[in-house]
Amino acid sequence: SAVISQKPSRDICQRGTSLTIQCQVDSQVTMMFWYRQQPGQSLTLIATANQGSEATYESGFVIDKFPISRPNLTFSTLTVSNMSPEDSSIYLCSGEGPDEQYFGPGTRLTVT
Amino acid sequence: DAKTTQPTSMDCAEGRAANLPCNHSTISGNEYVYWYRQIHSQGPQYIIHGLKNNETNEMASLIITEDRKSSTLILPHATLRDTAVYYCIVRVASSRGKLIFGQGTELSVKP
Repeated sequence: SAVISQKPSRDICQRGTSLTIQCQVDSQVTMMFWYRQQPGQSLTLIATANQGSEATYESGFVIDKFPISRPNLTFSTLTVSNMSPEDSSIYLCSGEGPDEQYFGPGTRLTVT
Repeated sequence: DAKTTQPTSMDCAEGRAANLPCNHSTISGNEYVYWYRQIHSQGPQYIIHGLKNNETNEMASLIITEDRKSSTLILPHATLRDTAVYYCIVRVASSRGKLIFGQGTELSVKP
């Protein structure tokens, strides 16, 4: 199995600023993903992080707002840009293993 | 990927079996049924998946009906630590990574 860690675990940010979230996997995974979980809601897939190329975004999510990098097979970052209170959510990273998808503990973001 | 329907919430007595149903009436022949759960303030955790045969592992059993239009996740001896939101997800094996989460079932295990 794979263990996924995220930094920071939580943060409080002012509107208009940006925050970069880091995701580290302890073993190679084929694919990495970023999800958002708004308060009291289920998870929504933001994008697939592709190694060495631009991420693939789901409908409703754009690169200018959520730039993503994946420089190697075990690391990815998600930036939440020009934040507003509506961006207050938990952001989760995941990696696809042979039979299952592993999830990180999430980054709890509060925008004031 | 096919849509799933689950009850919003369920209760279960500690030590009893928890049976969580899921309807996926539009499932295609090449789509698998996956179950994940999310304990409060944690990331989702994989439980089990299957195509058409019943499956069992150390955590749970998955019973899929013969027509594959519904399934049931069984936790044989529920404990308080099984209190979580349980998600039933249908996914084509080739669309790796595309986990589309519904609202899930909030299971409360009570002493």
